[in-house]
Amino acid sequence: QQQVKQSPQSLIVQKGGISIINCAYENTAFDYFPWYQQFPGKGPALLIAIRPDVSEKKEGRFTISFNKSAKQFSLHIMDSQPGDSATYFCAASESGNTGKLIFGQGTTLQVKP
Amino acid sequence: EPEVTQTPSHQVTQMGQEVILRCVPISNHLYFYWYRQILGQKVEFLVSFYNNEISEKSEIFDDQFSVERPDGSNFTLKIRSTKLEDSAMYFCASTPDNEQFFGPGTRLTVL
Repeated sequence: QQQVKQSPQSLIVQKGGISIINCAYENTAFDYFPWYQQFPGKGPALLIAIRPDVSEKKEGRFTISFNKSAKQFSLHIMDSQPGDSATYFCAASESGNTGKLIFGQGTTLQVKP
Repeated sequence: EPEVTQTPSHQVTQMGQEVILRCVPISNHLYFYWYRQILGQKVEFLVSFYNNEISEKSEIFDDQFSVERPDGSNFTLKIRSTKLEDSAMYFCASTPDNEQFFGPGTRLTVL
């Protein structure tokens, strides 16, 4: 019930294309859903986050779509660039709890020039 | 921009030895966390710390692990007797509310 399932495991996209990564969760108490970007040898860096009171959040080329009834959320990267090549993790937490993040398995994105 | 710092960046130790991983969270943050990431796997929660005490720990965080905030700035993770399977990246994170800021990590290698 604490799991967050992420797919695909890896993704190859051409420069300028759209990258889409999906996550699903079971625990309905989760109310904070961040996406983290991680480059090799670095710590995860917060990219964008959403709460369940909205269905979509956009920041620049990055958009989170959230479907509360399906318990799914996704990250869309528009106009993907080679510099976006990294590992992306979705996560979830309960704000009323300790705030611990439950991470998905990660998606390795490669954007080809 | 303030950031979470961690030392050392890489620690090599012999099995059975004690290690202490150090973190300096962002000042004014109230909640502190340790996570670990085994090579090629997802980031896993170890422990959360608030108001000078552990607020939650995972099943990974057994009696060999302990955390301390010895002063107003440092936050440490101690592994008393390291095992081979403790080899991983260890990340410290801090937050004032929900947005967690991660440090660059300490790579622990247990031989």
